[in-house]
Amino acid sequence: EVQLVESGGGLVQPGGSLRLSCAVSGFNFSTYEINWVRQAPGKGPEWISYISTSGSTIYYADSVKGRFTISRDDAKNSLYLQMNSLRAEDTAVYYCVRDRQYYDHIWGSYRSYFDYWGQGTLVTVSA
Amino acid sequence: QLVVTQSPSASASLGASVKLTCTLNSGHSRYAIAWHQQQPEKGPRYLIKVNSDGSYTKGDGIPDRFSGSSSGAERYLSISSLQSEDEADYYCQTTGTRIFGGGTKLTVL
Repeated sequence: EVQLVESGGGLVQPGGSLRLSCAVSGFNFSTYEINWVRQAPGKGPEWISYISTSGSTIYYADSVKGRFTISRDDAKNSLYLQMNSLRAEDTAVYYCVRDRQYYDHIWGSYRSYFDYWGQGTLVTVSA
Repeated sequence: QLVVTQSPSASASLGASVKLTCTLNSGHSRYAIAWHQQQPEKGPRYLIKVNSDGSYTKGDGIPDRFSGSSSGAERYLSISSLQSEDEADYYCQTTGTRIFGGGTKLTVL
């Protein structure tokens, strides 16, 4: 069974830091690209970061660029998100989400979508 | 710029069928999309990927009551024999990008 389990959330003051972890099982972690997606209270999901297999390619949403760092440890089947300079607007549930690649015949290229989500960890930024 | 639009709400009776719509803006009608379901107080769950030609791929364990289809720039999620646990928020996500629609809140009457 595919499982992604986030941890590390909590209450932090504005300007503070937090490190989230995501432990995965049930699939060969090293062969999958992974994302962090967050969801603020009462809002829809917002993608914030992506990491390729081996960590060679990394992307961030503009909202977190320069403040958050994604990383992975394939030996530990784990994904991480280091969050610095936290702001009130970073308050959200943070999800670890697996990418599923497929060949799209219409586009003539490989594309991807999210196929497994973790249960999420809540980060609250407040004084 | 790719924009994905969903109706904010929908409703249907227990045991009935409903069809939710995800609309891609002009010039982006080739995109496939993925539908995700979020039940109250739970994390999202992947349901189904719908291609521009109307073919679809469901996630593991997703019941046969869920299906997908396409017409032009619209991608649909159809749910038959509605059950109370289908009451949830439904989000579409474009493939190849990481953009979500605003979500549709489905109420089962």
